[in-house]
Amino acid sequence: EDKVVQSPLSLVVHEGDTVTLNCSYEVTNFRSLLWYKQEKKAPTFLFMLTSSGIEKKSGRLSSILDKKELFSILNITATQTGDSAIYLCAVEPRYAGGTSYGKLTFGQGTILTVHP
Amino acid sequence: GAVVSQHPSWVICKSGTSVKIECRSLDFQATTMFWYRQFPKQSLMLMATSNEGSKATYEQGVEKDKFLINHASLTLSTLTVTSAHPEDSSFYICSVQGQRAYEQYFGPGTRLTVT
Repeated sequence: EDKVVQSPLSLVVHEGDTVTLNCSYEVTNFRSLLWYKQEKKAPTFLFMLTSSGIEKKSGRLSSILDKKELFSILNITATQTGDSAIYLCAVEPRYAGGTSYGKLTFGQGTILTVHP
Repeated sequence: GAVVSQHPSWVICKSGTSVKIECRSLDFQATTMFWYRQFPKQSLMLMATSNEGSKATYEQGVEKDKFLINHASLTLSTLTVTSAHPEDSSFYICSVQGQRAYEQYFGPGTRLTVT
């Protein structure tokens, strides 16, 4: 059974701080790892990672994957109050024949609270 | 990306009644849709995979007779919670699988409260 564990479960910081969110996983036939940000409603896509060691960046957010150690980190620098959200990590397996049906296994999420 | 809507956005019902939640893909023909539930401060749990024109595939532990899924067209999937109980109260989110396998577009969710 695929498994995703995120840490910490919650984090409280002040604006300007840098945070690192962790995601470890176990999956049969790994295809990709995805990060989402969830505010009050549906999750919004942040990053998709498939290869080890290649950092993905988007503004103040960045993420990297280590396929050998089976984990990923999401960094947020110079945090702002608008970064307060639940950050979800999910893995997608590759099914037999190389096809994937998009079934994602999510971690518990990290609740980030950024105070002014 | 695809635009996904859900209706209703929130619903309150009494125990024993049934509730239908709609998930629409507004600008994309969705062969595959997913249904998730999320309890407060917890993660999304995949309930079932909905394939257009065929029976849904349910995850282990999800009662298919209780959570009826119908994906009758490429733009609409419905989840019916039958004989609802207070423990069914949750946030239900659908998603649409995009053209590439890793693309998934989430709906805004439906908050169900069973009294």
